[in-house]
Amino acid sequence: GDSVTQMEGPVTLSEEAFLTINCTYTATGYPSLFWYVQYPGEGLQLLLKATKADDKGSNKGFEATYRKETTSFHLEKGSVQVSDSAVYFCALSDTYLPGGGNKLTFGTGTQLKVEL
Amino acid sequence: SQTIHQWPATLVQPVGSPLSLECTVEGTSNPNLYWYRQAAGRGLQLLFYSVGIGQISSEVPQNLSASRPQDRQFILSSKKLLLSDSGFYLCAWSEGTGGYGNNSPLHFGNGTRLTVT
Repeated sequence: GDSVTQMEGPVTLSEEAFLTINCTYTATGYPSLFWYVQYPGEGLQLLLKATKADDKGSNKGFEATYRKETTSFHLEKGSVQVSDSAVYFCALSDTYLPGGGNKLTFGTGTQLKVEL
Repeated sequence: SQTIHQWPATLVQPVGSPLSLECTVEGTSNPNLYWYRQAAGRGLQLLFYSVGIGQISSEVPQNLSASRPQDRQFILSSKKLLLSDSGFYLCAWSEGTGGYGNNSPLHFGNGTRLTVT
């Protein structure tokens, strides 16, 4: 079945450092890929997405490129801020639910802590 | 624009008591609706989804049930809570297609923190 593997956290960085959070996936078809961010005590917010191979999703300085050959969707940011501290979830959508709707398979999340 | 509301934000309930969590969506019609649970230190687990009024599908057997009495209302319930029901419950919606999914992203509410004591 589908699965998403993320690097374990927490990841602790100094402000303005470069960020990479690794994500690899296993899927039987041609999934869409997503990154979600969860700030403390809140729900998940869609950060970026890519729907086909070689697509690059970007938002708020974050980027991720859909790499079909390596089945990866690593999240990157050139210069992190304290306000980026959150939990980041990689997810894929490959399974159509009976009758409609799409099932997202999530990774376990990676906590990012950015310090001054 | 579309918005999703989920309440209450936090809830503490004794074992054996009933549960009702409510979620409503505004600004869209015939959305697909979902209930996820996030256990401490773990990822998200899909509990229920719905593609239309009165249409509920369960992904995992459990002590919970869901209902969709109106197009944009989704309710998560239990008759008797268990300790293992504690967790963070998230409601989400995606664009409805009337047929197979289209890989649209899910949009989540702010969640309900449930503690069963």
